[in-house]
Amino acid sequence: KAGVTQTPRYLIKTRGQQVTLSCSPISGHRSVSWYQQTPGQGLQFLFEYFSETQRNKGNFPGRFSGRQFSNSRSEMNVSTLELGDSALYLCASSLGQGHTGELFFGEGSRLTVL
Amino acid sequence: SQQGEEDPQALSIQEGENATMNCSYKTSINNLQWYRQNSGRGLVHLILIRSNEREKHSGRLRVTLDTSKKSSSLLITASRAADTASYFCATGNAGKSTFGDGTTLTVKP
Repeated sequence: KAGVTQTPRYLIKTRGQQVTLSCSPISGHRSVSWYQQTPGQGLQFLFEYFSETQRNKGNFPGRFSGRQFSNSRSEMNVSTLELGDSALYLCASSLGQGHTGELFFGEGSRLTVL
Repeated sequence: SQQGEEDPQALSIQEGENATMNCSYKTSINNLQWYRQNSGRGLVHLILIRSNEREKHSGRLRVTLDTSKKSSSLLITASRAADTASYFCATGNAGKSTFGDGTTLTVKP
């Protein structure tokens, strides 16, 4: 069974640009969550999608958005990039509704904003 | 602030020794999970303990949970250099989990 796949793995952007990150969950998993990891703030929850609907949202500005497609693949977008958006963005999938078990993480997309 | 806080922040031991790291959380939970992260990589699930369990084992891992103190501990026995990683506790429902700040474990060969 293939794991969670995130693309791209590394990217460099400049302030003011926007970026789109992609996540393909494990086959059969309907929930996709996104997390931001930085040395200063640790792992911060961004949002969770289940069956194409945003189910939970973390405390991030509106520049951070996401969506989920009918095949459960998910994308997140960050607009008007700031230096502080430099981070490792992690996607995790799980079985979803009513499931309180483990999260399966991808290797992450490392974003550097210059 | 984070729901979980790990203690210590960093731990350095010799191969073969045991490593213990602790996690405290703030609100009531259904379960608590421990994850491992090798440098710059994704997190890997280690073990889940439910709120009605007090102790759980998995290979060289032993997790305890004290809901009255809102704390959990992870013990790694007979550590190996390959155990070098950061360890996080997490609470909440799977999709929306809250992670602690992590303990960075270094195991010297």
